Order: sequence, then structure tokens, then C-alpha cells
Amino acid sequence: GQNIDQPTEMTATEGAIVQINCTYQTSGFNGLFWYQQHAGEAPTFLSYNVLDGLEEKGRFSSFLSRSKGYSYLLLKELQMKDSASYLCAALDSNYQLIWGAGTKLIIKP
Amino acid sequence: DGGITQSPKYLFRKEGQNVTLSCEQNLNHDAMYWYRQDPGQGLRLIYYSQIVNDFQKGDIAEGYSVSREKKESFPLTVTSAQKNPTAFYLCASSMPPGQGTDTQYFGPGTRLTVL
Repeated sequence: GQNIDQPTEMTATEGAIVQINCTYQTSGFNGLFWYQQHAGEAPTFLSYNVLDGLEEKGRFSSFLSRSKGYSYLLLKELQMKDSASYLCAALDSNYQLIWGAGTKLIIKP
Repeated sequence: DGGITQSPKYLFRKEGQNVTLSCEQNLNHDAMYWYRQDPGQGLRLIYYSQIVNDFQKGDIAEGYSVSREKKESFPLTVTSAQKNPTAFYLCASSMPPGQGTDTQYFGPGTRLTVL
């Protein structure tokens, strides 16, 4: 079956760095997405990786290892507004997104 | 400004009633999607459409129906056959799958509560 695993909840301190991991098993693979979702709001696109390696975009970076079925989202210089859920989603061979349940990130002052 | 709109933001329904959720986009996207989100769970695909006048069932289509008469619009009807309809409903759109970018962009969502 197809499956995405990510931690349910993480806690970090303002100004610190946090890494949110995601492992995936899909029928075929056409890329890995990360979305941010604040409570009660819609998901917003953060990043897309299809090749191995690290993609950096400001304070956020995303890494992919296709051979390991693994990705992570790295958030630097954490701010209180980064408190949100972070959703990992893999695009399968039919170009359907398979979604993880999301990681709730709590930022403490 | 281009974007996706959903209305209403909050919707209350009595058991046994059908209700239609609106989704409109002006991004010129061919593909549109409906998801359901329940607390502690990932997004689950209800229906999707890659082109006007065509749509396919997702993983949890039972109790739902859609239409795609215009490129910009993809309304979702929650019927009385849906046993547990209380949830957060999200509409999304994207370029057609496999055409260079598959990023899905979401509307603000409709929170449906059955009383």
C-alpha cells in the first residue's frame, strides 16, 4: 500500500532550528511536496523536490533521498508565526498526491 | 488577483439534507480537486477533474457528487448518503498532471457541521 509517515508533534524554541522528517512508500514517485497549514486555514505550498538533494528557500530548506524514500523540512531561525502543521505529500505514478497526517510544530518563546 | 475561492466558510446542515459547496478558480488551471480533512488525519481525496465535463472518484467518493461544467468551477454536493459529513472541505487546483508543475493550490476551505 501507499503510506506517508511523519511525526505527530514537535516542539522547538524561538530562534532555533528544527528538522521535520517524512518517509514515504508509493506506487511510483513523481516528487515530494511540503505544505504549511495554520490552524483552521488551508495548506500553503512550501517546497517541491523531485531530484535528490537539498533545496533552500530562505529560512526553509527541503531535502530528498529517493533511494531511501525519505525527505525532511528544515526550518531555521524559528519564529512564533512558524507554529503550524507541516504536511508531507508524495506524488505517485498516477500523479495523485498521497498525504501524511501532518506534523504539528509548537514554538516556545 | 488570481486565486481559489470557496463559499461559504462555515456551513451548518441538518441530517438528511443535501448541501452544495462552491469552488471557483481564476488561475486558468485545468485540474481541480476536492479533499476532506478530519482532525489528526491527512487530506483524503473525494473527487478530481482534469478537464471540463470529466471527473473521477477519489478514495472516499461515496455520499458525494460533483460537476465540472466550466473550467473555473467545481462544486461539491454532500448528499444525505454521506454518513459522517462533518469535516473541513478543501478545494484545490493545478495544471494538468505531468505537465511540468504539479503543485496544488488550495482555497480557504469550508467547515461543514451536521446538526
